[in-house]
Amino acid sequence: EPEVTQTPSHQVTQMGQEVILRCVPISNHLYFYWYRQILGQKVEFLVSFYNNEISEKSEIFDDQFSVERPDGSNFTLKIRSTKLEDSAMYFCASSEAGEGGTVLTFGAGSRLTVL
Amino acid sequence: RKEVEQDPGPFNVPEGATVAFNCTYSNSASQSFFWYRQDCRKEPKLLMSVYSSGNEDGRFTAQLNRASQYMSLLIRDSKLSDSATYLCVVNPHGGSQGNLIFGKGTKLSVKP
Repeated sequence: EPEVTQTPSHQVTQMGQEVILRCVPISNHLYFYWYRQILGQKVEFLVSFYNNEISEKSEIFDDQFSVERPDGSNFTLKIRSTKLEDSAMYFCASSEAGEGGTVLTFGAGSRLTVL
Repeated sequence: RKEVEQDPGPFNVPEGATVAFNCTYSNSASQSFFWYRQDCRKEPKLLMSVYSSGNEDGRFTAQLNRASQYMSLLIRDSKLSDSATYLCVVNPHGGSQGNLIFGKGTKLSVKP
């Protein structure tokens, strides 16, 4: 079964450092997403990406965050100047289509710990 | 008002029991509805989409009441492997691209 792969599985960083989380979406999928889940909290939408540009972003996704598709397979989330409250599980997801009823496939997540 | 509300549980049930989870959502314009399951420290996985007429997939039955902005999930003949957190998920915009609103989840623990 096709899957979304994420690296690293766990990253520990110092406050103020930049981190890049990487994702390889399913190969024939055209829509890509980042979500995050703070420990014990709900899964929250960050951003969606289609045709090499952001199509929607939440209020969480401020100037500290950026996304990029640097090549034909990777989709990255960059967090600049990390804060303690950025500690969370970050999930990448992808889908074939973008309309509301589409099904998202999530990766296993990247756990970010900011010290 | 929270966008998607669920009873956090936990629901502790014996194997073979029938258990039901409820969920309410605040945006009456919501168009797409799902139940996801999440195992501890794992990613959410789609359990089933929910249709207006209600739908069934094996031991799982989902119902939707748009007028009351309410969803439910029924699990029959619970298995140990059903132990997980069940997430009520809504797409509030209809045509938007994957902006899903998740509930905090209801934890289910099935005991032998």
